Amino acid sequence: AQTVTQSQPEMSVQEAETVTLSCTYDTSESNYYLFWYKQPPSRQMILVIRQEAYKQQNATENRFSVNFQKAAKSFSLKISDSQLGDTAMYFCAFMMGNAGNMLTFGGGTRLMVKP
Amino acid sequence: EPEVTQTPSHQVTQMGQEVILRCVPISNHLYFYWYRQILGQKVEFLVSFYNNEISEKSEIFDDQFSVERPDGSNFTLKIRSTKLEDSAMYFCASRLTGYGANVLTFGAGSRLTVL
Repeated sequence: AQTVTQSQPEMSVQEAETVTLSCTYDTSESNYYLFWYKQPPSRQMILVIRQEAYKQQNATENRFSVNFQKAAKSFSLKISDSQLGDTAMYFCAFMMGNAGNMLTFGGGTRLMVKP
Repeated sequence: EPEVTQTPSHQVTQMGQEVILRCVPISNHLYFYWYRQILGQKVEFLVSFYNNEISEKSEIFDDQFSVERPDGSNFTLKIRSTKLEDSAMYFCASRLTGYGANVLTFGAGSRLTVL
């Protein structure tokens, strides 16, 4: 079974600064996908960014980017120019590449952006 | 933008009562999921559903739980006899099938409180 570990339960960052959230995973599969989801106080799960394991290039979405290290099974999220609205729980998640499979989530990192 | 809609947003019930949580997935999505999140804990997979049958389920999804797609639009989760430990946020999600269709879109969640 796949496991996803987020070693930072809580983090804080000053507005406009950059922060990196860590995620490691364990799998014997070679074809899979990785995701970061954001859960603001409203508790809705919102996709932030995704990465296909077969792609070497790190995914980016505006202020959000990832550092995907396949050999190390590491998938960190970098948030640049942090904004107050980035305050949320962030979940790293894993999905195997074959059809129909579910997401396995990490335990989450609570990020507080301070003014 | 298409949304996954969940009702009710919050339900309070007495232990032992039956509860039905409803979801309207995105109309052209074919895979459906239920997840739950006990307060302060990680998001846990319950069940996935495709082609009118369960494709995968977790150990949490015991005989007290069932899912149904009663018509072409709704996807329901039934808990037959609720327990205190069923108190959680329940998320419905859906996704397309096929190449690249690996992103789950989540609903806003249904908060279940069992007294």
